[in-house]
Amino acid sequence: DGGITQSPKYLFRKEGQNVTLSCEQNLNHDAMYWYRQDPGQGLRLIYYSQIVNDFQKGDIAEGYSVSREKKESFPLTVTSAQKNPTAFYLCASSIDWILGDEQFFGPGTRLTVL
Amino acid sequence: QKEVEQDPGPLSVPEGAIVSLNCTYSNSAFQYFMWYRQYSRKGPELLMYTYSSGNKEDGRFTAQVDKSSKYISLFIRDSQPSDSATYLCAMSQDSSYKLIFGSGTRLLVRP
Repeated sequence: DGGITQSPKYLFRKEGQNVTLSCEQNLNHDAMYWYRQDPGQGLRLIYYSQIVNDFQKGDIAEGYSVSREKKESFPLTVTSAQKNPTAFYLCASSIDWILGDEQFFGPGTRLTVL
Repeated sequence: QKEVEQDPGPLSVPEGAIVSLNCTYSNSAFQYFMWYRQYSRKGPELLMYTYSSGNKEDGRFTAQVDKSSKYISLFIRDSQPSDSATYLCAMSQDSSYKLIFGSGTRLLVRP
């Protein structure tokens, strides 16, 4: 049963803490992405990875970091430098970055800063 | 001005109605157009994918692209309560990862 899993589903963070969101895919996709979704706004790209051990900043990378040590995993760390981290975070993947427009999404993680 | 504009709704229709969802865009270089359906507190799922102008039909869903007017539409025939969701349009200049998303239209289909 192929797909993308994200954990946890809900995450609460105190101000000043770093948190890491998990994203795993078993679709054998090369490319993976992290988006942020806020009410009334479209999805905004945080980071993307075209291939293992490579990643690039998206449109709103400040305050976030990622790693891509394995093809199937692309964790996102929300650091204390992110000023407004409360949002719905979505991970996605595509066969490769050239055919990156057909993206498959995970179920999301809702992060709330207390 | 946003690159992609989408009415947030909510759009409320009775079961069985034909639904029309729309997006307008400003970048004439967009060639690839997608519609995603997102249920509450879930990730988006790809519903329709269209290249350039024209129509594409899949069951009760029809995607239409009018590049001359920079306007895309998604039609849902015989709408069902299970169609109640937020519909996001997305588009790109080429087939690469760089998608531009609309903010989504919330659809409510009343039984």
